[in-house]
Amino acid sequence: KAGVTQTPRYLIKTRGQQVTLSCSPISGHRSVSWYQQTPGQGLQFLFEYFSETQRNKGNFPGRFSGRQFSNSRSEMNVSTLELGDSALYLCASSHTTGQGSYEQYFGPGTRLTVT
Amino acid sequence: DQQVKQNSPSLSVQEGRISILNCDYTNSMFDYFLWYKKYPAEGPTFLISISSIKDKNEDGRFTVFLNKSAKHLSLHIVPSQPGDSAVYFCAAGRGSTLGRLYFGRGTQLTVWP
Repeated sequence: KAGVTQTPRYLIKTRGQQVTLSCSPISGHRSVSWYQQTPGQGLQFLFEYFSETQRNKGNFPGRFSGRQFSNSRSEMNVSTLELGDSALYLCASSHTTGQGSYEQYFGPGTRLTVT
Repeated sequence: DQQVKQNSPSLSVQEGRISILNCDYTNSMFDYFLWYKKYPAEGPTFLISISSIKDKNEDGRFTVFLNKSAKHLSLHIVPSQPGDSAVYFCAAGRGSTLGRLYFGRGTQLTVWP
């Protein structure tokens, strides 16, 4: 089974621009979560989508948005980029196991640099 | 407010010995706990998880122990190998908000020959 894939892997943008990141979950996983990782704040939850609906949202401004398509692929958009948005953006897909546990698998991430 | 804490930023262990990574949490409503391994510039790699109804789960060299009364979990790696050197994150989540995990800041494990 293929893992979680993210595109692009690296991106350089200037302040004020917008960016769209893409994520394809593991086949069969319907939940996709997005996280931001920075040296100062660690891994911070952005939002989670399940069956094309945003189910959970973290404490990020409205400039950060996302969506999920019927094939479970997800996109994340950041508008009006700020220098502080430079980070590694991680996508994860998840499922509950037959043994009643929960597993969340991450993609390789998109490294966004805002100049 | 950091709900998941890893108080040891680093741990150094000799190859073949046991590595014990610790994690504390403050929210008694957490239902799931997960451990990840991460190399620089890569996404976290899922290692093992445990639900709050269990106190132990093992998978190969990895065993996770959960002490709910102490709000503490630990990851044991036996035997440790140099390839285990990486940053280890613990994470926790609630069944009511599945998909949202709270992460600790990580522990850098170094396994030396």
